[in-house]
Amino acid sequence: ETGVTQTPRHLVMGMTNKKSLKCEQHLGHNAMYWYKQSAKKPLELMFVYSLEERVENNSVPSRFSPECPNSSHLFLHLHTLQPEDSALYLCASSQFRTGRYEQYFGPGTRLTVT
Amino acid sequence: KNEVEQSPQNLTAQEGEFITINCSYSVGISALHWLQQHPGGGIVSLFMLSSGKKKHGRLIATINIQEKHSSLHITASHPRDSAVYICAAPPQGGSEKLVFGKGTKLTVNP
Repeated sequence: ETGVTQTPRHLVMGMTNKKSLKCEQHLGHNAMYWYKQSAKKPLELMFVYSLEERVENNSVPSRFSPECPNSSHLFLHLHTLQPEDSALYLCASSQFRTGRYEQYFGPGTRLTVT
Repeated sequence: KNEVEQSPQNLTAQEGEFITINCSYSVGISALHWLQQHPGGGIVSLFMLSSGKKKHGRLIATINIQEKHSSLHITASHPRDSAVYICAAPPQGGSEKLVFGKGTKLTVNP
């Protein structure tokens, strides 16, 4: 138990569906991250939020839309996804700009797009 | 941009063996991370180190800043150590953003 929870743990969706992934951290951190992990590829950073403002967006397609309503919650809204978007989506949190770089990861959401 | 390389990609060992996983990076950094990812996906941070050596139970991590190289050692390996071990470093200098290696899949057989 790392203090970061993600729901759902598994999601199967069609290409025309709209769904959302949720992440919640109970660590008092001020930064949250979305990562994508595809089979046999390194973790790829998608978005970084610090103090609820998006500070990084690594050229992610617009069919992925993040939302950070407060420092404890992070969402990833999904719409009109493609089969190649099937992957493990991991959320992480940390204390931003304090020199403490350690990130705490959630268990991930295994997404399958059919 | 920091390139993070890990070796080996896959490693199979017998229970009790001493395990070494290597990580090299291309840009000077202030701290390097070792992470453990279990089947099913959950990732746990094992170590964050900026110099020398750190030890936690049977796990030991070392780093040589001059050579841009780090190693993760597991003593007296056990089947429950089977996981993917990932090395991560900031893209340059110090940064909260991380560049990840592809991971080393370790299987420890009883």
